Amino acid sequence: AAGVIQSPRHLIKEKRETATLKCYPIPRHDTVYWYQQGPGQDPQFLISFYEKMQSDKGSIPDRFSAQQFSDYHSELNMSSLELGDSALYFCASSQGPWMYGYTFGSGTRLTVV
Amino acid sequence: AQSVTQLDSQVPVFEEAPVELRCNYSSSVSVYLFWYVQYPNQGLQLLLKYLSGSTLVKGINGFEAEFNKSQTSFHLRKPSVHISDTAEYFCAVRLKTSYDKVIFGPGTSLSVIP
Repeated sequence: AAGVIQSPRHLIKEKRETATLKCYPIPRHDTVYWYQQGPGQDPQFLISFYEKMQSDKGSIPDRFSAQQFSDYHSELNMSSLELGDSALYFCASSQGPWMYGYTFGSGTRLTVV
Repeated sequence: AQSVTQLDSQVPVFEEAPVELRCNYSSSVSVYLFWYVQYPNQGLQLLLKYLSGSTLVKGINGFEAEFNKSQTSFHLRKPSVHISDTAEYFCAVRLKTSYDKVIFGPGTSLSVIP
């Protein structure tokens, strides 16, 4: 079965650079969620989109922005990267925001040096 | 706002021994409950979920969990663990309302000792 695809799997950036993470939800899933998991931490909710509109917002820094496109894939843009942004970034998708069935991607590991 | 507590940050257990990973939640409204597993350097995989009905839910890999509404708990159990169960386990909740995200607990690191 198709899963949530995230790219790239690994990304190394320098401080103050910009990074773009991509998430391709499961076909027919219209809701995307982004989470950040720091080293040894639990996943923290960043932002979610339903039908290309932002549906909820968590602890996402102002330096980060995200959007969902017409094909339902989503991109997380991160600017002025800081060392503390080094983390595993997960994307999850569901068929409607009210659905209990989250499916997570394998994540993008971002390392800021 | 809802929150999730996992009292044990690390649980070492010998292979083939039983294990219980504790989870308590706090919420003023009804919630869905989940357990996720994260193997080293991998993503989050859903172990099991409680939505409604029977309070004992069975998941993958021989795990089960019991929902206790009065104690607001959702403890995860396995009667006999295997080396391959070594991983990080996250309890999570979601409000039974629309447009709400999953909130994760801090995680419990399960180490199975041969």
